[in-house]
Amino acid sequence: SQKIEQNSEALNIQEGKTATLTCNYTNYSPAYLQWYRQDPGRGPVFLLLIRENEKEKRKERLKVTFDTTLKQSLFHITASQPADSATYLCASPPLGAGSYQLTFGKGTKLSVIP
Amino acid sequence: DAGVIQSPRHEVTEMGQEVTLRCKPISGHDYLFWYRQTMMRGLELLIYFNNNVPIDDSGMPEDRFSAKMPNASFSTLKIQPSEPRDSAVYFCASTGRNTEAFFGQGTRLTVV
Repeated sequence: SQKIEQNSEALNIQEGKTATLTCNYTNYSPAYLQWYRQDPGRGPVFLLLIRENEKEKRKERLKVTFDTTLKQSLFHITASQPADSATYLCASPPLGAGSYQLTFGKGTKLSVIP
Repeated sequence: DAGVIQSPRHEVTEMGQEVTLRCKPISGHDYLFWYRQTMMRGLELLIYFNNNVPIDDSGMPEDRFSAKMPNASFSTLKIQPSEPRDSAVYFCASTGRNTEAFFGQGTRLTVV
């Protein structure tokens, strides 16, 4: 069955370093992937979208890559700050679904240590 | 726009009681989604609507769950009767022309 997975439940890094989060998908080929940020007690907030024909997308200190061979997306935060601490979710439309429907990974909780 | 508005923010109810969660999507958005989030299962899609019409309710766990969207600015998710295993955070989200989903603050439901 198709799956979207974020293998790391938690990631701790030192302030100023680059955080790299991984999202893997199996048994389907999504047309795009999205990344969201979720703070405690709040709903997810959209950050970036990358389409299957795009290798890389950037927004300020954020960078997302999409490797259809490895079936993987990487999410990078450069020069990380304690304010970047949150849970990050990847999402994609499941196979056969309308492009507006999303399936989410369980998320990776990032902690940036001062 | 105030964003997606959900009410109540917190709900504590006794097992067997009816629970109704409410959502007001962003004006002009055609799609409305109901999600449930737990530590074990993450964020799961329960049902979604397009132009007020339910499109896919395959994620609704059982007949105790029902959802309606009587107009473009209001939707409800009802659980009757509620059970302790329904305890979770329920999110409503809406989407417009692009695929970016805007989430509400969620309703934390506790069934005791």
